[in-house]
Amino acid sequence: GAVVSQHPSRVICKSGTSVKIECRSLDFQATTMFWYRQFPKQSLMLMATSNEGSKATYEQGVEKDKFLINHASLTLSTLTVTSAHPEDSSFYICSANTAGTNYGYTFGSGTRLTVV
Amino acid sequence: RKEVEQDPGPFNVPEGATVAFNCTYSNSASQSFFWYRQDCRKEPKLLMSVYSSGNEDGRFTAQLNRASQYISLLIRDSKLSDSATYLCVVKGGKLIFGQGTELSVKP
Repeated sequence: GAVVSQHPSRVICKSGTSVKIECRSLDFQATTMFWYRQFPKQSLMLMATSNEGSKATYEQGVEKDKFLINHASLTLSTLTVTSAHPEDSSFYICSANTAGTNYGYTFGSGTRLTVV
Repeated sequence: RKEVEQDPGPFNVPEGATVAFNCTYSNSASQSFFWYRQDCRKEPKLLMSVYSSGNEDGRFTAQLNRASQYISLLIRDSKLSDSATYLCVVKGGKLIFGQGTELSVKP
């Protein structure tokens, strides 16, 4: 089945540094990648939608200059959290629409970011 | 009002019990509906799609009532392995997730 590989699974960084999270679609072409954030005991919140070769579309309240998204190829999308602060600590997860189906989304395994 | 609302629970039930989760959504133009399962600190995984005619997959039955904008999930004969958070998900132009309902099945 469709697989989205997300790395790293866990990262701890110092406040003020940047962190890059990668999502790769292993056996299909992900023309669209969705990036979510989930705080403890809360729902997944869509941060942005990225389409290959074009600028990402950010949800209201998400700073595009802080959360840089690059989707340069059909199999790779990256999210960079710039100048991370403790309040950015969260579970970040990507998702792509499974090729060949009109429903169901394949998720990466998530990245747990802790900013200290 | 949240776009997708669920009772967060937790639901604590004994093995073998039948448990029902409910979900309501606000956008009547929503096109597709799903239940996902999320284990602690892991990614959501698709449990089943939901159709107006109702659909069943083993011990799981999902139902959609478009008029009431209401979605349900019924789990029969609960297993310990069913313990997880169940996410109601609605698709319009994008996926909208409910907060999730936590289920804990005890021996």
